[in-house]
Amino acid sequence: QVQLVQSGAEVKKPGSSVKVSCKASGGTFSSYTISWVRQAPGQGLEWMGRIIPILGIANYAQKFQGRVTITADKSTSTAYMELSSLRSEDTAVYYCAREESGGYFDLWGRGTLVTVSS
Amino acid sequence: QSVLTQPPSVSAAPGQKVTISCSGSSSNIGNNYVSWYQQLPGTAPKLLIYDNNKRPSGIPDRFSGSKSGTSATLGITGLQTGDEADYYCGTWDSSLSAEVFGGGTKLTVL
Repeated sequence: QVQLVQSGAEVKKPGSSVKVSCKASGGTFSSYTISWVRQAPGQGLEWMGRIIPILGIANYAQKFQGRVTITADKSTSTAYMELSSLRSEDTAVYYCAREESGGYFDLWGRGTLVTVSS
Repeated sequence: QSVLTQPPSVSAAPGQKVTISCSGSSSNIGNNYVSWYQQLPGTAPKLLIYDNNKRPSGIPDRFSGSKSGTSATLGITGLQTGDEADYYCGTWDSSLSAEVFGGGTKLTVL
């Protein structure tokens, strides 16, 4: 059974960057798409972007264009989400999720809390 | 402000039925499949419904989904205290070229 295992919590200074990883444990990325979704404290879900690991093609929500980079390492079945120029409003739990062809997310990581504070 | 509109909260007694609405537009719900997610406190979202009305393996048939025009509805029958959670609808928005979610609905089982 494939699981998505995310890296641990991070505390960052405003203006810095954070890179969160998401490893497919018990399987490979195969032809899946991996999306990143974040959730600020007490708020709803917000899609940031996605990558098709076997093609290396990523696309991003307009809100995060220029500030987020999503990559994948096929050899280790690991996806990464790097967010730069961090500000306090980026404090959130960041989830990776497997996206099926119908546009739904059937498998989620447990989330990574990123706290941005001076 | 979420692209999809959900009621902030709904409540019902154990054993009763509840519905949660999700309203959008022709650029999202009107022309794309809708999915629903359950998020228990402190946990990651879990897929409940996909392709408007399909249930993944392991999801009881107490949960159902439907879509009409630019709105979708999640139904839950035989409510249990364990159903208390936040529920989100989601779909692709063709104008934004992005996955979009509703703001979430908190279900309270009284």
